[in-house]
Amino acid sequence: AQSVTQLGSHVSVSEGALVLLRCNYSSSVPPYLFWYVQYPNQGLQLLLKYTSAATLVKGINGFEAEFKKSETSFHLTKPSAHMSDAAEYFCAVSDGANAGKSTFGDGTTLTVKP
Amino acid sequence: DTGVSQDPRHKITKRGQNVTFRCDPISEHNRLYWYRQTLGQGPEFLTYFQNEAQLEKSRLLSDRFSAERPKGSFSTLEIQRTEQGDSAMYLCASSPVAQPYEQYFGPGTRLTVT
Repeated sequence: AQSVTQLGSHVSVSEGALVLLRCNYSSSVPPYLFWYVQYPNQGLQLLLKYTSAATLVKGINGFEAEFKKSETSFHLTKPSAHMSDAAEYFCAVSDGANAGKSTFGDGTTLTVKP
Repeated sequence: DTGVSQDPRHKITKRGQNVTFRCDPISEHNRLYWYRQTLGQGPEFLTYFQNEAQLEKSRLLSDRFSAERPKGSFSTLEIQRTEQGDSAMYLCASSPVAQPYEQYFGPGTRLTVT
């Protein structure tokens, strides 16, 4: 069984500040991990993925995430927030290369203040 | 590549009515997934197909729900005798043969049951 916990349902940062969105996972097999972004009334867009290669993965829009097996974490960061980053972010886990589904966290809403 | 499309985008129905949603995946993606997302939560897996075969169904998929992918291309999700608890966003995603874990999401169909 797999699960994802996103710590903090709401995060607020000032424009230009560091963004840190936390994700912890549980998986009985080596996981594949994902971060998605969702804008209002839209589907999910893949930001980045970890697929058992490099532990630090870079994604679109300046986001990156680091896989830490010892901490079972996959936190999302961005050095400098932009107003357009305001959205909901979801962390997800699947059980490997041939997985048929992903298990999602409940999401974190990011607000960016001017 | 036109992306995953879903129709309709919005559906309002009365309790007890049947509804059907359609999903057109990215061409040549052999896997197709259905998820349900309620307010304040992440997407929950419902079912997925590999080509025309339905390989997994969640226990969330009650007897009132049925999904098909008759020719391995588009898929339909039908809900019979809708209930107010069925109100949600229904998301479809597809993934390619080489990277089945990399899911591309459509914009979703928002169902409101009155």
